[in-house]
Amino acid sequence: AQSVAQPEDQVNVAEGNPLTVKCTYSVSGNPYLFWYVQYPNRGLQFLLKYITGDNLVKGSYGFEAEFNKSQTSFHLKKPSALVSDSALYFCAVRVNNDMRFGAGTRLTVKP
Amino acid sequence: DSGVTQTPKHLITATGQRVTLRCSPRSGDLSVYWYQQSLDQGLQFLIQYYNGEERAKGNILERFSAQQFPDLHSELNLSSLELGDSALYFCASSVVPGDTQYFGPGTRLTVL
Repeated sequence: AQSVAQPEDQVNVAEGNPLTVKCTYSVSGNPYLFWYVQYPNRGLQFLLKYITGDNLVKGSYGFEAEFNKSQTSFHLKKPSALVSDSALYFCAVRVNNDMRFGAGTRLTVKP
Repeated sequence: DSGVTQTPKHLITATGQRVTLRCSPRSGDLSVYWYQQSLDQGLQFLIQYYNGEERAKGNILERFSAQQFPDLHSELNLSSLELGDSALYFCASSVVPGDTQYFGPGTRLTVL
């Protein structure tokens, strides 16, 4: 089945350290991949997307994601985490003009 | 602010009742999506409309129905409510199907 997987339910990182939230995909053809963030009691907010071109995609709030075709991954990264980055992060893939979301990864950044 | 609006923000009702959730997409967006988010099942896609027509169905129960009106706003109707229907219901919109989706703030439904 065409889908994305987020292998970690929870990621903990100290403020100021780099963070990585992992996502792997399984799709036929060229994938369109997305990252969204959900803060408490809010809707999902679009962070960034990969369609084609440069494998490193830059998005909102200093986040970036690296597309790796050989490893079928699209990991979300940030060089220096902030406490305010603590939230639920969703990876998604476009499948036949629909979107399939991963189960989400809860990121906690500790001061 | 994504530009997608949802009403009401909170809804508390009893089992067996029927409720209607409303969504107004971003200006210019023709496609509307409905999702259910519960603690134990993550984000579940329910249904998608494009320019007034149903386009895709996900894990939507027969007790649930939706429609998109000529002005492009959408309503999700939930009937014969059960305790397990308590969840956050999100609407999202995009210009066309498959494009970046922008989410509304959600409606929190509590069934007592």
